[in-house]
Amino acid sequence: DAGVIQSPRHEVTEMGQEVTLRCKPISGHDYLFWYRQTMMRGLELLIYFNNNVPIDDSGMPEDRFSAKMPNASFSTLKIQPSEPRDSAVYFCASRIAGGQETQYFGPGTRLLVL
Amino acid sequence: KQEVTQIPAALSVPEGENLVLNCSFTDSAIYNLQWFRQDPGKGLTSLLLIQSSQREQTSGRLNASLDKSSGRSTLYIAASQPGDSATYLCASSKAAGNKLTFGGGTRVLVKP
Repeated sequence: DAGVIQSPRHEVTEMGQEVTLRCKPISGHDYLFWYRQTMMRGLELLIYFNNNVPIDDSGMPEDRFSAKMPNASFSTLKIQPSEPRDSAVYFCASRIAGGQETQYFGPGTRLLVL
Repeated sequence: KQEVTQIPAALSVPEGENLVLNCSFTDSAIYNLQWFRQDPGKGLTSLLLIQSSQREQTSGRLNASLDKSSGRSTLYIAASQPGDSATYLCASSKAAGNKLTFGGGTRVLVKP
């Protein structure tokens, strides 16, 4: 398996623009997680899905952030409008239900908002 | 609210020395505790997962212990190598299927 796939790997945009981050989880995994990592706040969970349904979005910073999972093999995290403080590395992770609950992380998308 | 702390934030050791990485958590009612490795510019790789009913887990040169009563977990890396240089993060889960709360990580440098 190719692992968790994220695109783009790097994104530079200007304040006010819409940003869409994409994630393809490992095939057969039931859970999908979106994290944000910054120097100041470390790694934070934004939202997670189980069987394509959002379970906990309490980590989503504000209404500018939205996430969708239209099917088991694709999820998006959208920021509209983007702000400089959104600059961070955004990770997607997935895992299978039950078992050890080990999460498998993608390589991340490095976002810079100017 | 669970808080996970890792001290020190950075550690430098000569090659061959054993590494001891610490992780503390405020709420002992955890479901499991996981250790991850993160290389610069990369995602996280799961190293070891300890269920709340377990005291330790081992994989090769890595050994992780868990003491729920004291709110601590320790990751031991025997005979460190330059390739062990990375950031190590611990994370706890409160319940099955629940989200992970991460520590800030310990950045390790193993000098040849």
